[in-house]
Amino acid sequence: AQSVAQPEDQVNVAEGNPLTVKCTYSVSGNPYLFWYVQYPNRGLQFLLKYITGDNLVKGSYGFEAEFNKSQTSFHLKKPSALVSDSALYFCAVWGRSHGNNRLAFGKGNQVVVIP
Amino acid sequence: DGGITQSPKYLFRKEGQNVTLSCEQNLNHDAMYWYRQDPGQGLRLIYYSQIVNDFQKGDIAEGYSVSREKKESFPLTVTSAQKNPTAFYLCASLPPGGFDGYTFGSGTRLTVV
Repeated sequence: AQSVAQPEDQVNVAEGNPLTVKCTYSVSGNPYLFWYVQYPNRGLQFLLKYITGDNLVKGSYGFEAEFNKSQTSFHLKKPSALVSDSALYFCAVWGRSHGNNRLAFGKGNQVVVIP
Repeated sequence: DGGITQSPKYLFRKEGQNVTLSCEQNLNHDAMYWYRQDPGQGLRLIYYSQIVNDFQKGDIAEGYSVSREKKESFPLTVTSAQKNPTAFYLCASLPPGGFDGYTFGSGTRLTVV
């Protein structure tokens, strides 16, 4: 079955500094990878995805992610963090489990941007 | 605008009661999903439905039930058999192909009082 690991529970970064949220994955076949963001008491919002093509994927709100097949990683990045980026971030991989295709989510990373 | 509507936003349940969480979508998506979110545990799949009148158990289905009588609707019932129902519940739908990922509702926070 597919799985995702987000090794850090919380990422603290000063406003204006680069932000990186780490994600590694395990899946059979080609990986289809996603990042979502969640603000308090809200649903998850799609940020970006990797299906095929360029390893650097650009998404919403200035975020980008780098797909690295050899390291099975899909780290989320933003060159200059904003206080409004403080939220919970989820990495997900599409794969087959229990006979059906579905997204498997990591535990999530709380990002805190310090003014 | 197309989207997923979950209601109510907040729900309180007494011990021993069944409660039903609503999920409605106007995206014309076939597949719909229910997830439970607890702090530090990420999202865990409760039930999912690929088509009308069909659904499958996810990883934590015990104490929950669903129905899928219409394409637009996928209600979740939290029964009295669910011993620890306090959580944030998220409904999602998936367009054909899956390559766009899920669209999520805004969630329902259920609290046992």
